[in-house]
Amino acid sequence: DQQVKQNSPSLSVQEGRISILNCDYTNSMFDYFLWYKKYPAEGPTFLISISSIKDKNEDGRFTVFLNKSAKHLSLHIVPSQPGDSAVYFCAASAAGANNLFFGTGTRLTVIP
Amino acid sequence: KAGVTQTPRYLIKTRGQQVTLSCSPISGHRSVSWYQQTPGQGLQFLFEYFSETQRNKGNFPGRFSGRQFSNSRSEMNVSTLELGDSALYLCASSLGFFGAEAFFGQGTRLTVV
Repeated sequence: DQQVKQNSPSLSVQEGRISILNCDYTNSMFDYFLWYKKYPAEGPTFLISISSIKDKNEDGRFTVFLNKSAKHLSLHIVPSQPGDSAVYFCAASAAGANNLFFGTGTRLTVIP
Repeated sequence: KAGVTQTPRYLIKTRGQQVTLSCSPISGHRSVSWYQQTPGQGLQFLFEYFSETQRNKGNFPGRFSGRQFSNSRSEMNVSTLELGDSALYLCASSLGFFGAEAFFGQGTRLTVV
């Protein structure tokens, strides 16, 4: 049973525009959420995180929004750059547990 | 600071065989977690080791096992390989407390034929 879902397997965006990647979760015990970026032949690298006490966290071009009532989070990349082209994974964990539950990933392609 | 090192990078095994994968975490990290990545399934958590003890376990059959040594290096073993075990196996190391950033290795690509 997939507790973290990324329903869009792929997304294409023009360079300079906004990329919005979405993620839904089902487990109400999750209280820490992360986004990872993965290039081919490399392991995932941490991008940005948010805890459930916040609804927004920003780091440069990357902003994560959390809507706890809807069990939904999104990653906004503004402006998108060709180097952002990668697979993005959403992940979640519950307090007291160190394991992450990952979504299936969204492949972002930024078109120059 | 050296990153997480996984060996081997690629492996081809025959159905029914067993395999051992290795992970060397970042120096000072005591937690090592293992994940299986398959197309369409994302990353699935296998287990986590902290200070040589299995602290968390995912929903995988007993054919999947692991261990951690006193230097925090970890091994993962899969016995009686099945075709469906073909996947990228990723290891992540962290300091081990809740919310600590997990750093991933490049993974071991296992192909079962």
